[in-house]
Amino acid sequence: RKEVEQDPGPFNVPEGATVAFNCTYSNSASQSFFWYRQDCRKEPKLLMSVYSSGNEDGRFTAQLNRASQYISLLIRDSKLSDSATYLCVVKGDSGAGSYQLTFGKGTKLSVIP
Amino acid sequence: SQTIHQWPATLVQPVGSPLSLECTVEGTSNPNLYWYRQAAGRGLQLLFYSVGIGQISSEVPQNLSASRPQDRQFILSSKKLLLSDSGFYLCAFWGLSSYNEQFFGPGTRLTVL
Repeated sequence: RKEVEQDPGPFNVPEGATVAFNCTYSNSASQSFFWYRQDCRKEPKLLMSVYSSGNEDGRFTAQLNRASQYISLLIRDSKLSDSATYLCVVKGDSGAGSYQLTFGKGTKLSVIP
Repeated sequence: SQTIHQWPATLVQPVGSPLSLECTVEGTSNPNLYWYRQAAGRGLQLLFYSVGIGQISSEVPQNLSASRPQDRQFILSSKKLLLSDSGFYLCAFWGLSSYNEQFFGPGTRLTVL
């Protein structure tokens, strides 16, 4: 079983649409959860952390369900600039005095004019 | 401010040739450093991490090795490249504020022919 699984995508949506990404993780001991954004041929960058109570940052809303080991990201009123690949990321203890991130394969979003 | 540099940005190498990729970090001391590879159509795979000078942990058996000769320098090497070593190589470190965001370098795009 893959450690972090995401919708395969790609998602092609018109401007202004609402789009939702889902993610599941296999390690119940995972400590923290994130969504990263990766533009084409660029490095990933943190979009937002995901908290159990749910959190919102402008048009972006993230949810976490620890019991189901499920994470989601909702983007409202999609903009052309939202086009990118969205990576679901889970943090765990490396057991060697550090932490490790495990990345999903990512879901590509294309927002169409 | 914290910055991370990688070079070269792009590299085309023949099968069987050696490899050396360099990563340096500024604005932080004793960082935990990471090497990832992102192959076409695949997610980020953690290759190595280092919690200090001379300390290397390997995540997957492979054709590559890593070294940390200085506190803020992390090197990825190979004696003989394989076709399967092609990919986008990313170096990363944890931000100063907490273990809640990894910052990535701009990456090296390696093509092995």
